[in-house]
Amino acid sequence: DTGVSQNPRHKITKRGQNVTFRCDPISEHNRLYWYRQTLGQGPEFLTYFQNEAQLEKSRLLSDRFSAERPKGSFSTLEIQRTEQGDSAMYLCASSLALAGGQSDTQYFGPGTRLTVL
Amino acid sequence: GNSVTQMEGPVTLSEEAFLTINCTYTATGYPSLFWYVQYPGEGLQLLLKATKADDKGSNKGFEATYRKETTSFHLEKGSVQVSDSAVYFCALSDPGNNFNKFYFGSGTKLNVKP
Repeated sequence: DTGVSQNPRHKITKRGQNVTFRCDPISEHNRLYWYRQTLGQGPEFLTYFQNEAQLEKSRLLSDRFSAERPKGSFSTLEIQRTEQGDSAMYLCASSLALAGGQSDTQYFGPGTRLTVL
Repeated sequence: GNSVTQMEGPVTLSEEAFLTINCTYTATGYPSLFWYVQYPGEGLQLLLKATKADDKGSNKGFEATYRKETTSFHLEKGSVQVSDSAVYFCALSDPGNNFNKFYFGSGTKLNVKP
């Protein structure tokens, strides 16, 4: 078990550019989550996948944000026309669905730190 | 709604001191409660959890008890080490949906001095 991995670890971009982040969950986990963490705050939920289906999106996820999990394994989070307010740490987590539908513990990746200049 | 409130930091202690980080929560049902730790430049690591009232989670000398009557999940350690310096997050998972959406507190930074 190699844990949850995220790439890149750091991304610096200019305002208006598009960026894409990748998350590889723990291999047997069928649930995947994206969170955003700003400086001095706890993570805030963005979106959730069960296998390849995106089942929940936060109001924080504006139209400029899109997430995919095409084969139910890795996921990508794209931000179009980045703004300075998008600067944050983007965290991915994965978990296993338990009998009855509840989730086991969420395990987090190291995050991708985005800086928009 | 669901929310988590943690004591503000930073908390600065000398090595071997006793640690308490307060956490209280508001939830619509019966959540599971977690403590995560974040070291500089890294993601969140699960420290301990408790899934029902009166459960005690423990790991690496840290412990926390799920107190339904006071809606609290305070983190304690009897003797902290310099290596415990990190940011600690209290979290709950929403029982109102099957995917267990997490709600995090704002984090408490712990500095342990030798």
